[in-house]
Amino acid sequence: ETGVTQSPTHLIKTRGQQVTLRCSSQSGHNTVSWYQQALGQGPQFIFQYYREEENGRGNFPPRFSGLQFPNYSSELNVNALELDDSALYLCASSLAGNHNEQFFGPGTRLTVL
Amino acid sequence: AQRVTQPEKLLSVFKGAPVELKCNYSYSGSPELFWYVQYSRQRLQLLLRHISRESIKGFTADLNKGETSFHLKKPFAQEEDSAMYYCALGRGTGGYNKLIFGAGTRLAVHP
Repeated sequence: ETGVTQSPTHLIKTRGQQVTLRCSSQSGHNTVSWYQQALGQGPQFIFQYYREEENGRGNFPPRFSGLQFPNYSSELNVNALELDDSALYLCASSLAGNHNEQFFGPGTRLTVL
Repeated sequence: AQRVTQPEKLLSVFKGAPVELKCNYSYSGSPELFWYVQYSRQRLQLLLRHISRESIKGFTADLNKGETSFHLKKPFAQEEDSAMYYCALGRGTGGYNKLIFGAGTRLAVHP
């Protein structure tokens, strides 16, 4: 069984640029969630994808967007980067359903200068 | 609004001492509550969930709906318990299951 993987590990961008982060879900999982974790804070829900469609969104602006592919992998795209977007971005995969455990990846550390 | 509060940023105890990490939540429906743990240089992982009512690594947590709390307890702390602990509230219907996390409590167990 392969766990959740994310790429890249670290990324440095400048304000106004765009970034794409990638996530491969755990084998057999059809749901992917993305979280933003700022320094000293708990993870904050960005959105969730199920069957290639957004299935719930947190309090994040539209410049945060995503995709899910037929193999259940996912991308998080952030446009017009701001300094406050600097954070650890976590991907979690799970089976659909309220009680199912979410398995987290190691995260991508994004720094915006 | 749904919210999870962990009032302590750091909890420092000696090995063998009892541990209680506090978690309070705000949610109008039937909550699903979880404790996640992150050991040094490892990824976030589920420790336990209230619906399972199980003890993992000696830790237990009881949901108290009257006090809206889900405190994590262990009678005798071990050095390997040192980690970052996050309480999380799960919400959603029809397969949409997002987690709302608290800010976390760092547990430091000293020899």
